[in-house]
Amino acid sequence: DVKVTQSSRYLVKRTGEKVFLECVQDMDHENMFWYRQDPGLGLRLIYFSYDVKMKEKGDIPEGYSVSREKKERFSLILESASTNQTSMYLCASWGSPGNTIYFGEGSWLTVV
Amino acid sequence: SQQGEEDPQALSIQEGENATMNCSYKTSINNLQWYRQNSGRGLVHLILIRSNEREKHSGRLRVTLDTSKKSSSLLITASRAADTASYFCATGRSYNTDKLIFGTGTRLQVFP
Repeated sequence: DVKVTQSSRYLVKRTGEKVFLECVQDMDHENMFWYRQDPGLGLRLIYFSYDVKMKEKGDIPEGYSVSREKKERFSLILESASTNQTSMYLCASWGSPGNTIYFGEGSWLTVV
Repeated sequence: SQQGEEDPQALSIQEGENATMNCSYKTSINNLQWYRQNSGRGLVHLILIRSNEREKHSGRLRVTLDTSKKSSSLLITASRAADTASYFCATGRSYNTDKLIFGTGTRLQVFP
């Protein structure tokens, strides 16, 4: 069974803290994604990576960075967390063009 | 930017009834996908329909695509309480999934 694992399910961080959200996939997929999901706004793409050490900005990259040092791992970094980054973060991976995306279970981040 | 817009935003039905959700999009697409999300969880792929297809079935799911109207519908027949979830359409404008844009979702409630 394919698996995308997000290391933290629930986090509470303080404003200004550096936050790492980790995602690991076991499907040898080239492409990995980070979305955030907010009520009424659907899923918005933050960053994606199509290969190790490669990254592309999505629709809302401001305030975020990413790291892809190994093929199976894609990390989302909030350099200085702010309250407007309180959200659910979803990691996903994809192997082939035109096929399905596999999602992790999501990470609920609260910034206080 | 939002590409797919689901309609209605919320739908409540009794078990055994059929549920129909619609998705409209703005630009030309290569494929359209439907995903399901249980409350607070990740998204699970349901079905993909390519732009040269008009209808597709998978179990109790039926998806139609009308590229002239830039719309798709998802029909769940003989609904069950376990179908309670949010349903999202996602459109791919090319074979690059970086262009896979999600709508805001339809929240389906099926009462036993």
